[in-house]
Amino acid sequence: KAGVTQTPRYLIKTRGQQVTLSCSPISGHRSVSWYQQTPGQGLQFLFEYFSETQRNKGNFPGRFSGRQFSNSRSEMNVSTLELGDSALYLCASSLVTDPEQYFGPGTRLTVT
Amino acid sequence: AQKITQTQPGMFVQEKEAVTLDCTYDTSDQSYGLFWYKQPSSGEMIFLIYQGSYDEQNATEGRYSLNFQKARKSANLVISASQLGDSAMYFCAMREDEGFQKLVFGTGTRLLVSP
Repeated sequence: KAGVTQTPRYLIKTRGQQVTLSCSPISGHRSVSWYQQTPGQGLQFLFEYFSETQRNKGNFPGRFSGRQFSNSRSEMNVSTLELGDSALYLCASSLVTDPEQYFGPGTRLTVT
Repeated sequence: AQKITQTQPGMFVQEKEAVTLDCTYDTSDQSYGLFWYKQPSSGEMIFLIYQGSYDEQNATEGRYSLNFQKARKSANLVISASQLGDSAMYFCAMREDEGFQKLVFGTGTRLLVSP
């Protein structure tokens, strides 16, 4: 069974631009969560989507948004990028019935 | 509010020895789950083991076991017979059932296994 895939793997953007990251969950997984990992703040929860609905959101500004499609694939968008948005963005998928979450390889975003 | 504390920034262990990575947690919920993840330098988070708050027995997965002491709010990871490939960052995380799939992570412990 294929794991969680994230595209792109690496991205360099300029301050003020916007970016869209994509996550394809494991087949059959309907819950997708996003996390930001930085050296200073560690791993922080961004949001979770289930059946195309956001059902939990972390403490991030409105510049961070996401969505989930009917095939459970998810995208997150960051508008008006700031230097502090440079991070590893990780996506995780899970079954509703199981507690385990499986992570993708991440997208490393660098904002210059 | 949920909180995970990992007090060991770094740990060293020799190959084939056992090592314990500490994790304490704080929550007011009665129903929650505790997780350990491994993050190699490649960045991917690898699920290792899970313990539910109502599970009476400590979880085990191969060389990994979770020493769950509910009264002390601790969930230490024990790795038996360490291997060179175990060198990585290890994160303890918690999920409160009312928070759906939201995980709260600790700051991590970097484990270095020497030959």
